[in-house]
Amino acid sequence: DTGVSQDPRHKITKRGQNVTFRCDPISEHNRLYWYRQTLGQGPEFLTYFQNEAQLEKSRLLSDRFSAERPKGSFSTLEIQRTEQGDSAMYLCASSLGQGDDYTFGSGTRLTVV
Amino acid sequence: TQLLEQSPQFLSIQEGENLTVYCNSSSVFSSLQWYRQEPGEGPVLLVTVVTGGEVKKLKRLTFQFGDARKDSSLHITAAQPGDTGLYLCAGTLPNDYKLSFGAGTTVTVRA
Repeated sequence: DTGVSQDPRHKITKRGQNVTFRCDPISEHNRLYWYRQTLGQGPEFLTYFQNEAQLEKSRLLSDRFSAERPKGSFSTLEIQRTEQGDSAMYLCASSLGQGDDYTFGSGTRLTVV
Repeated sequence: TQLLEQSPQFLSIQEGENLTVYCNSSSVFSSLQWYRQEPGEGPVLLVTVVTGGEVKKLKRLTFQFGDARKDSSLHITAAQPGDTGLYLCAGTLPNDYKLSFGAGTTVTVRA
């Protein structure tokens, strides 16, 4: 297992378009997290899955954002009707269980023009 | 409002010098972690501390968790250009599972 994989690494989109990002966690990890990081800031929590169940969503996750983790494996994060303020690095992390270390992916850098 | 405050925000030093980065909060954390992040990459875990007063050493890096589990520090001895990066502290509150991050300290070590 090569760790947490995220695809694409970079995405440039026009304002108003929809985008979808994918995260493949470490295979035995049942917990998966999405974070967003803007320039000069630390990552901010967006949402969390335990297996296929989405257990928490941050207030940062507006109605335009939706995340899924079908079958408890990979996860997708979709942003509808993108806005310039959505430009950020979207990070995915996974962990084996509560209290276990996170492993982060390399992130997807989104630029909305 | 950020749970964890890091200082300084930026640090630029000469190779061979020492540096210390601080992470403070008014909240008690069940564990605290330090990450290093390079441009365009995700954070990479350096260390996890869980016991108040704990000190961990990783080669030239020394990590300390405050007695009250509200603060931490990262000390680098004889810094090298390869230590350049964004250093992030992150903590987990009791009865929580998600990490809360500080804003980070950008460290630049000049050759």
